[in-house]
Amino acid sequence: DAGVTQSPTHLIKTRGQQVTLRCSPKSGHDTVSWYQQALGQGPQFIFQYYEEEERQRGNFPDRFSGHQFPNYSSELNVNALLLGDSALYLCASSLPRQPYEQYFGPGTRLTVT
Amino acid sequence: LAKTTQPISMDSYEGQEVNITCSHNNIATNDYITWYQQFPSQGPRFIIQGYKTKVTNEVASLFIPADRKSSTLSLPRVSLSDTAVYYCLVAPWRLQAQLWSRNQAGTALIFGKGTTLSVSS
Repeated sequence: DAGVTQSPTHLIKTRGQQVTLRCSPKSGHDTVSWYQQALGQGPQFIFQYYEEEERQRGNFPDRFSGHQFPNYSSELNVNALLLGDSALYLCASSLPRQPYEQYFGPGTRLTVT
Repeated sequence: LAKTTQPISMDSYEGQEVNITCSHNNIATNDYITWYQQFPSQGPRFIIQGYKTKVTNEVASLFIPADRKSSTLSLPRVSLSDTAVYYCLVAPWRLQAQLWSRNQAGTALIFGKGTTLSVSS
């Protein structure tokens, strides 16, 4: 049983560019959440998707957007990249009856230069 | 959401029992306490969750006193591989389907800075 997978593993972008990160949830999970983790900090919640809709959003600007597909996979898009967007981006999936037992992927390390 | 306070760091030796205490003075009646573990360059991993008294699984035990204003994660006989950051989270227990049918907030995990546990030989 595959766990949560994310791609790519690492990414280097330039300020002002746009990036798309991808996530496939754990088999059987239908809810996907995205988190940003800066070095030395705990993960910060970006948004959560269920039934292809954004259900909850954290304190992130509109430059951060996402999408969930019918197969429950998800994308995170970040426009107009800033140096401060450099971080580890984590995807987590969960089941409706166990919402706080979230399974995290290995993350995508984004570096903005 | 209830604010949590936990030590920034702890040191231990292999074979010892480690207890990490988390303070959550303003915990609400329907709040549950959840602990996650994170190794370097990996995503967090769910360890244990509880509401009151004691919960035990194959990884850890969670002790919650009657007033629920604090909780203690207990790791028996730690090894070098237990070196990680441990996060205490408090959140209201809601089933997601119930939340969204009522247009209420979802089930985001709110992480603090966690406790960095270093285990030495």
